[in-house]
Amino acid sequence: DAMVIQNPRYQVTQFGKPVTLSCSQTLNHNVMYWYQQKSSQAPKLLFHYYDKDFNNEADTPDNFQSRRPNTSFCFLDIRSPGLGDAAMYLCATSDFVGRGTDTQYFGPGTRLTVL
Amino acid sequence: SQQGEEDPQALSIQEGENATMNCSYKTSINNLQWYRQNSGRGLVHLILIRSNEREKHSGRLRVTLDTSKKSSSLLITASRAADTASYFCATDKGDGGATNKLIFGTGTLLAVQP
Repeated sequence: DAMVIQNPRYQVTQFGKPVTLSCSQTLNHNVMYWYQQKSSQAPKLLFHYYDKDFNNEADTPDNFQSRRPNTSFCFLDIRSPGLGDAAMYLCATSDFVGRGTDTQYFGPGTRLTVL
Repeated sequence: SQQGEEDPQALSIQEGENATMNCSYKTSINNLQWYRQNSGRGLVHLILIRSNEREKHSGRLRVTLDTSKKSSSLLITASRAADTASYFCATDKGDGGATNKLIFGTGTLLAVQP
């Protein structure tokens, strides 16, 4: 089945130690998104790729970076994780055809713990 | 901000009862979507309603949209224990331009007691 896969499902890192989360999709969608979701809160968009074009949200800290080497894969890099970065990180995809926002397909998420 | 607010924040009902959740937003939209999130999991798309639609059904789900009041409601009929989850509304920015971003509401935590 076509899907969005995130690895790992659980990630533990130390304060200040760089960490990379990965996302892959078999849907061949042109847009990939990264969201941060803290406990009992709404998902917050960090950035997204529209094909190869990177779109950062204005309030996303510089500590968060992303790479999309090809259509299928997208990575979230946290350069120096702080305790406040502990959260669920959700990857999503959509097939944007320029007629307004359509359905997004989410992966299961990666739960990041910062010690 | 555009972020929607949902009401109630939490809802507890008995199996078989109906559950109604409401969402309000601030600016014009192209469409509004509802998503479900089981505890510790990703979001699953439930239904999309476009700005020119007033009501939409999908199985046990009924969504209404009132653009004049900038509000939407999600009704789940004959609820089941498996419906226990958080429910989020999500809107795009209907500024006339093409956009591929969603902004999520604060969510309603639904608990269905067996």
